[in-house]
Amino acid sequence: EPEVTQTPSHQVTQMGQEVILRCVPISNHLYFYWYRQILGQKVEFLVSFYNNEISEKSEIFDDQFSVERPDGSNFTLKIRSTKLEDSAMYFCASRMDSSYNEQFFGPGTRLTVL
Amino acid sequence: AQSVAQPEDQVNVAEGNPLTVKCTYSVSGNPYLFWYVQYPNRGLQFLLKYITGDNLVKGSYGFEAEFNKSQTSFHLKKPSALVSDSALYFCAVRDRDNFNKFYFGSGTKLNVKP
Repeated sequence: EPEVTQTPSHQVTQMGQEVILRCVPISNHLYFYWYRQILGQKVEFLVSFYNNEISEKSEIFDDQFSVERPDGSNFTLKIRSTKLEDSAMYFCASRMDSSYNEQFFGPGTRLTVL
Repeated sequence: AQSVAQPEDQVNVAEGNPLTVKCTYSVSGNPYLFWYVQYPNRGLQFLLKYITGDNLVKGSYGFEAEFNKSQTSFHLKKPSALVSDSALYFCAVRDRDNFNKFYFGSGTKLNVKP
């Protein structure tokens, strides 16, 4: 069964450094998402991406964040200058089309900012 | 604004007993409701969804959920719990006007004891 994959599984970085989290969505999916889950808290929507542009973003997704689909398979989340409060689990998700289909989630990348 | 609430942080049941994980929602208009499960170190896995139609929705692994419009609830149920059902369960609602935004509950940890 096709699945969303994410790398790395765990990323440790120093405050102020840039990080890039990588995702490979399911190949025939058209909509892509990033979510984050701070330890012990709910899963929060960050951004959605369709047709090579951001279609929706939350208040969390400020100028420090960016997303890109550099080729036909990868979908990346970049945090330009990490802060301690960026430490969280980051989930990538993809969805096939614009109907009522569910999103498929990757296993997540645990980001630790020291 | 759309939102879901999961009033219980944790639910404990004995194997073989029925289980219920509660979710209530607040939406304008008709809700699109989902349940996801998260096993340790894994991403969220889709269990079931309610879009329209029959109020009792059947999903993966023997789970079902009942949509109750008058009580604005979408409780997850299973007639006979398994130890392997122990995981974190998230209720989610999709924005009616924006298919790209999902709002998740805070999650309920289900512990099934042998």
